Amino acid sequence: AQSVTQLDSHVSVSEGTPVLLRCNYSSSYSPSLFWYVQHPNKGLQLLLKYTSAATLVKGINGFEAEFKKSETSFHLTKPSAHMSDAAEYFCVVRGGYQKVTFGTGTKLQVIP
Amino acid sequence: DAGVIQSPRHEVTEMGQEVTLRCKPISGHDYLFWYRQTMMRGLELLIYFNNNVPIDDSGMPEDRFSAKMPNASFSTLKIQPSEPRDSAVYFCASSCLPTQGRDYGYTFGSGTRLTVV
Repeated sequence: AQSVTQLDSHVSVSEGTPVLLRCNYSSSYSPSLFWYVQHPNKGLQLLLKYTSAATLVKGINGFEAEFKKSETSFHLTKPSAHMSDAAEYFCVVRGGYQKVTFGTGTKLQVIP
Repeated sequence: DAGVIQSPRHEVTEMGQEVTLRCKPISGHDYLFWYRQTMMRGLELLIYFNNNVPIDDSGMPEDRFSAKMPNASFSTLKIQPSEPRDSAVYFCASSCLPTQGRDYGYTFGSGTRLTVV
């Protein structure tokens, strides 16, 4: 079985301040983990992925995520938020199956 | 590669009409998924195929929904008859088989926004 929990449904930050979007997972297997971003009225775009290599993963647009097995977490961070980062972010786990499990999403608001 | 291609981008139809959504996956991908996204329910997996064969259709809401994949480069999702509660964005995604330490995740299409009036 696998599951993913995004701890915040909404996060609001000021432009130029750090972003932290939290994700915890559970999986019976060594998981692959992903973050996707969805801008308004757009499809889902892969931001970054972890697949058992380096635990600190860099993605597009300055985002990073760190896989912490002991904490079963895969939090998404960015040092400085930009207005264009306003979107919904989905944490996704795949643990040996062909189906993935999506989190419920976190809406990021960036205040000018 | 042009990515996952869905058509149409928008569809407005009257209740009771048949609606067909189309998807062309990325060449070489073994898996194809149909998702539905609404404000109320978020992202829901409807059905997925492996090598053109339906593997799990437990997410298909009712018999009015059907999906086919006649070949590796084409899939359809049909709703007949359509109802207003079917209004949603429907996404198609494709994926190749993950291997040890190598998993590229899903590639999503841009979606079809369906409105049933």
